Amino acid sequence: GDSVTQMEGPVTLSEEAFLTINCTYTATGYPSLFWYVQYPGEGLQLLLKATKADDKGSNKGFEATYRKETTSFHLEKGSVQVSDSAVYFCALSDRRGYSTLTFGKGTMLLVSP
Amino acid sequence: DTAVSQTPKYLVTQMGNDKSIKCEQNLGHDTMYWYKQDSKKFLKIMFSYNNKELIINETVPNRFSPKSPDKAHLNLHINSLELGDSAVYFCASSPIAGGNTGELFFGEGSRLTVL
Repeated sequence: GDSVTQMEGPVTLSEEAFLTINCTYTATGYPSLFWYVQYPGEGLQLLLKATKADDKGSNKGFEATYRKETTSFHLEKGSVQVSDSAVYFCALSDRRGYSTLTFGKGTMLLVSP
Repeated sequence: DTAVSQTPKYLVTQMGNDKSIKCEQNLGHDTMYWYKQDSKKFLKIMFSYNNKELIINETVPNRFSPKSPDKAHLNLHINSLELGDSAVYFCASSPIAGGNTGELFFGEGSRLTVL
């Protein structure tokens, strides 16, 4: 079945550091790929998405590129802020019939001043 | 106005009890979901309904019974609660079945603690 693998957390960074959270996937067909973010005490929110190979999703300074050859969708940000502290989930959605998102296990990001 | 609202936000109960969690969305979406998030933050789909019809039912004990009285509501009833049911339960909705747009709109979660 489909699966998503994310790097283990927590990732601890100082403010203005560069962020990378790795995500790789296994899926049949051509999935769409997503990053969701969960701030403390809240539900998940869509951060960005890419629907086909080589697409780049971006939002709030975060970016991720759909790499079919390496089955990856790594999340990056050039300069993190304390307010970026949250749990980040990589997810995929296949395109066959009724389906739903398959999430990775989440990576906690802690940014200190 | 909250787009996807769940009640209660916190629920503490004893083993063996029966409890319900309610969910309502005012986004006009056709599809609603229940996800379970365990203590390690792992999220897993439990159920999905499209226009009041069950379309996804993952391997979930039959003590869990979803009910969708209309497309704006999806409630979750749990019988004979067990310690392992302790988790945060998230309701979500999406504008089309299958979640192919990828944008699920989540509620704030209902934290269930079974003692």
